[in-house]
Amino acid sequence: AQSVSQHNHHVILSEAASLELGCNYSYGGTVNLFWYVQYPGQHLQLLLKYFSGDPLVKGIKGFEAEFIKSKFSFNLRKPSVQWSDTAEYFCAVNAPGANNLFFGTGTRLTVIP
Amino acid sequence: GAVVSQHPSWVICKSGTSVKIECRSLDFQATTMFWYRQFPKQSLMLMATSNEGSKATYEQGVEKDKFLINHASLTLSTLTVTSAHPEDSSFYICSAMRENGREQFFGPGTRLTVL
Repeated sequence: AQSVSQHNHHVILSEAASLELGCNYSYGGTVNLFWYVQYPGQHLQLLLKYFSGDPLVKGIKGFEAEFIKSKFSFNLRKPSVQWSDTAEYFCAVNAPGANNLFFGTGTRLTVIP
Repeated sequence: GAVVSQHPSWVICKSGTSVKIECRSLDFQATTMFWYRQFPKQSLMLMATSNEGSKATYEQGVEKDKFLINHASLTLSTLTVTSAHPEDSSFYICSAMRENGREQFFGPGTRLTVL
């Protein structure tokens, strides 16, 4: 069975600080990986995705993530956060050919102005 | 774009009644739609996968007779919570996927409160 772990439950940062949110998955095969963001009162939005190719993926709003296959990780990063990045961040994974998405428990990010 | 809408955005009902939630793909055809449930401060849990014109596939532990899913067209899927009870109160989110697509597009969710 696939599972996705997000070890940081709540992260509090000051504006301009750098961000890294951890995501690990348990699946032995080739996977598709996603990061979604949920701003307060809004629906899930895709930040970035990895299907194949360059393991360093650039997303919207200055976010990026690096797929490290040997570590089963897909950590999300942003060099300088803004107050508007305050939101819930979810990592998700599915196997190619399988449509089911498995979500991590989410990480709440609070950015202090 | 790929916009998915849900209606209603919130609903309050009495225990024992049934509630229908609609999920629509507004600008694309969705051969597959998914229904998730999100508890407060928790992650999304997949309830079922529905393909247009066929029966939904339910995840383990989800009662198919309680959560009726219909995907009658390429742009509409409905989730009916039958004989709702307070423990069914939750945030229900749908997503939609194009044929041969690899990305799911999410709706804004429906908050159900059962009194």
